Parts: sequence; C-alpha cells; structure tokens
Amino acid sequence: GQSLEQPSEVTAVEGAIVQINCTYQTSGFYGLSWYQQHDGGAPTFLSYNALDGLEETGRFSSFLSRSDSYGYLLLQELQMKDSASYFCAVRTGRDDKIIFGKGTRLHILP
Amino acid sequence: DTEVTQTPKHLVMGMTNKKSLKCEQHMGHRAMYWYKQKAKKPPELMFVYSYEKLSINESVPSRFSPECPNSSLLNLHLHALQPEDSALYLCASSPRQGHEQYFGPGTRLTVT
Repeated sequence: GQSLEQPSEVTAVEGAIVQINCTYQTSGFYGLSWYQQHDGGAPTFLSYNALDGLEETGRFSSFLSRSDSYGYLLLQELQMKDSASYFCAVRTGRDDKIIFGKGTRLHILP
Repeated sequence: DTEVTQTPKHLVMGMTNKKSLKCEQHMGHRAMYWYKQKAKKPPELMFVYSYEKLSINESVPSRFSPECPNSSLLNLHLHALQPEDSALYLCASSPRQGHEQYFGPGTRLTVT
C-alpha cells in the first residue's frame, strides 16, 4: 500500500523555527510537495522537491532525501498567520495523481 | 488571471435533487481535478482530467458525474446524493504532472 506519515500536531512559539517531517512508503516516487491549508480555506501550494536537497522560498524551506524516503518542511521566523494545517504529498507515478499525508496541525503560541 | 474559481460557494440540496458544481481556470493548465474533503482530513481525489480527457476516476459512485467542456472549465454533476456526501468539494488545476496544484476556494456541500 501507500502511506505518508507526518505528525498530527506541532506547537511552536512566534518567531521561532519549526520543522514538520514526512516519511513515505509508496510504490513509486516522482516528487514530494507541501501544501498549507488554513481553517475554512483551500490548500495552497508551498513547494516541490524532486531531487535530494534543500529548496528555499522565503521563510519556508523544504528538504528531500530519497534514500531515506523522508522530507521536511522548515518554517522560520514563525508568524501567527502560519497557524494552519500542512500536508505533504507524493506523486507516485507518471500520471497526474498525488497522494496526501493526513496533515500536521501547526499551533503558534504568542 | 492566476486563480481557480468555483461556484457556488455553498450548496444545500436534498437527496432527490440534481445540481452542478462549476470550476474555471484561465492559467492554461493541462490538468484539472476534483477532490472531496471532510473536516480535519486530507483532500481525497475523485477525478482527474488531462488535456480535457478523463484520465483518473478513483472509483467514485455514479451519483457524481464529471464533465470537462473545454480546457478552462470543469463541472461536477450531482444526483441522488447521500448525507455522507456532505463535504467541501475542491477543484484544482496543474501545469505539470500533478505535483504543483492550484486549488479553488471550494464548494461547501450539505446534503439533507
């Protein structure tokens, strides 16, 4: 079967750094994506890693290690508006489908 | 235009009604998706259209019927739904092979 594991909840303090991990076991792997979703809103695309290493986009960075079937999303200089759910997602084949993890709820404390 | 739009925002329908959800994107994206999302759960893929052709149907019940009239439009026709079909229905589009998807705001559907 296909599985993506990520923590259900993470709590951090405003201004700090937080890392959300994602490990995957899938039949194929063509890339790892991250999405943010605020309560009542739609998912928003954050980043994509197809190759090993770190991708940086402003305060957000995403890392991938294909040999470890592992990736993470790093959020720096946390702001209250970063309180949301974060989903990792894997593209498992040559088609257009991605599989979502169950999501990590990020709580930011003032 | 860099967004995906969906109408209506909210929909309440009875189990015998027929209704349609609409989705539009003008970004020239080649793939369009329908997802269903329940509270505190990840989006659950229903259908994928690639170049206006249905490429993936995730064994969705026939009471949900997708349609792609052209490369910018995607419809989801609903008929004889059940209360458990109440959820947020999300449309998305992607310029590449699915790993970068842009979601519309969703239609919150309630089946009574």
